[in-house]
Amino acid sequence: GQQVMQIPQYQHVQEGEDFTTYCNSSTTLSNIQWYKQRPGGHPVFLIQLVKSGEVKKQKRLTFQFGEAKKNSSLHITATQTTDVGTYFCVRHGSGNTGKLIFGQGTTLQVKP
Amino acid sequence: ETGVTQTPRHLVMGMTNKKSLKCEQHLGHNAMYWYKQSAKKPLELMFVYNFKEQTENNSVPSRFSPECPNSSHLFLHLHTLQPEDSALYLCASSQDLGTGHYEQYFGPGTRLTVT
Repeated sequence: GQQVMQIPQYQHVQEGEDFTTYCNSSTTLSNIQWYKQRPGGHPVFLIQLVKSGEVKKQKRLTFQFGEAKKNSSLHITATQTTDVGTYFCVRHGSGNTGKLIFGQGTTLQVKP
Repeated sequence: ETGVTQTPRHLVMGMTNKKSLKCEQHLGHNAMYWYKQSAKKPLELMFVYNFKEQTENNSVPSRFSPECPNSSHLFLHLHTLQPEDSALYLCASSQDLGTGHYEQYFGPGTRLTVT
C-alpha cells in the first residue's frame, strides 16, 4: 500500500542525547513532509523534502531524503525537553488530491 | 496559533444526537480537510475540499456529512454516531491542491466522545 513505515514507534532519551527517527516507503516518493505533534496538540508542519539526497537543517534538527527517494530521516542533536512529541513523516497520495498519508509516528520522550 | 480555529474544542454526544463541528481558516487558503485521529491508528484523512468542491471522500460512513459553504469555512455534521467514532477530529487547510504548496496547517481539533 501507500503507507509509510516509521521506526522506532517510541523512543526515550536523556536530555542532551541525540535522537533519530526513520521513515521508509516501498514506492518512490515525489516528496516527503515531516510534522510534529506535541502532547495534547495538533500536527505542525516542519519541512518538505523534494530532491533526491536532499539534506535540510533547522537548528538542531536535520532532515534527509534518501537517494532513491524511498526513505527519509529526522535527526535531533542534543535533545531538549521541548522536543517531546510525536514526529510524523507524511507522503502524498497519488494525483493532486491533497491527500496526505501519515505514518504511525515516532513518539519521543525526553528525560530531564 | 496557526490561523485555523475549530469549535467546539470538546464535545460529548449521545448516539441519537445531531451535532456539528466547525472549522474556520484565516490564511486565505483554498483547500480544507477533515481528519480523524484515534488513539491507536494513524491520522486518517476523511474529506478534502478545494475551492468549495469536494475532491476526496476517503470511504467515510454517511453518518459524517461535510459542508463547505466557502473557502474559509468547513463543517462536519454528525448524526447517529457510534462509540468507536470517539476521537480527535482535526481540520486543516492548505494553499490549494495544484500549486505544489502542499504543507497543511492544522486547527487545534475537537475532542469528540460518543456515549
